[in-house]
Amino acid sequence: QQQVKQSPQSLIVQKGGISIINCAYENTAFDYFPWYQQFPGKGPALLIAIRPDVSEKKEGRFTISFNKSAKQFSLHIMDSQPGDSATYFCAAIPGGGSEKLVFGKGTKLTVNP
Amino acid sequence: NAGVTQTPKFRILKIGQSMTLQCAQDMNHNYMYWYRQDPGMGLKLIYYSVGAGITDKGEVPNGYNVSRSTTEDFPLRLELAAPSQTSVYFCASIQDGLGNEQFFGPGTRLTVL
Repeated sequence: QQQVKQSPQSLIVQKGGISIINCAYENTAFDYFPWYQQFPGKGPALLIAIRPDVSEKKEGRFTISFNKSAKQFSLHIMDSQPGDSATYFCAAIPGGGSEKLVFGKGTKLTVNP
Repeated sequence: NAGVTQTPKFRILKIGQSMTLQCAQDMNHNYMYWYRQDPGMGLKLIYYSVGAGITDKGEVPNGYNVSRSTTEDFPLRLELAAPSQTSVYFCASIQDGLGNEQFFGPGTRLTVL
């Protein structure tokens, strides 16, 4: 049972364009939503994260939009650069204190020069 | 700080062999995790630990065992390797408290033939 659904599976954008990755969840016990970036041969690294009491969070070119009622959240990468080419994972952490990450299946982003 | 370290980087096992994947962190984190990553499937939690002497199963624990005798180390044991355990394994750690970053190691690529 996939608890966090992520789309699209792959995404190709041109340099300077906007990349948008979407995620949806069912479990209302989730109370923290991080995004991870992974380059080939490396472990995932935290990119940006949001709590459900906030509708949007921006850090540089990266923005998370969060819709609690729809149980959806998305990552927007503005002015996409070839260096942003990586696999992006959305994730969710349920309350309870264990901080266990539940990951989406990932989106492979390619930014063409 | 070295962060989260994993050894070995690569390993090929024959069916039925056993091995231990090593994970260590020098950040004094209480919480540690083992994930496996299969192509197109995201990361799935195998086992986790919220402190020395405390371990618990994640989503896919079958075929694996863990121990946590110290805060720093969290080894993952495969007793009877099977082809289904061919994957990339990531260890991660986090300081307790929601909202803190979960740090990942560089991964171990395991092939079972």
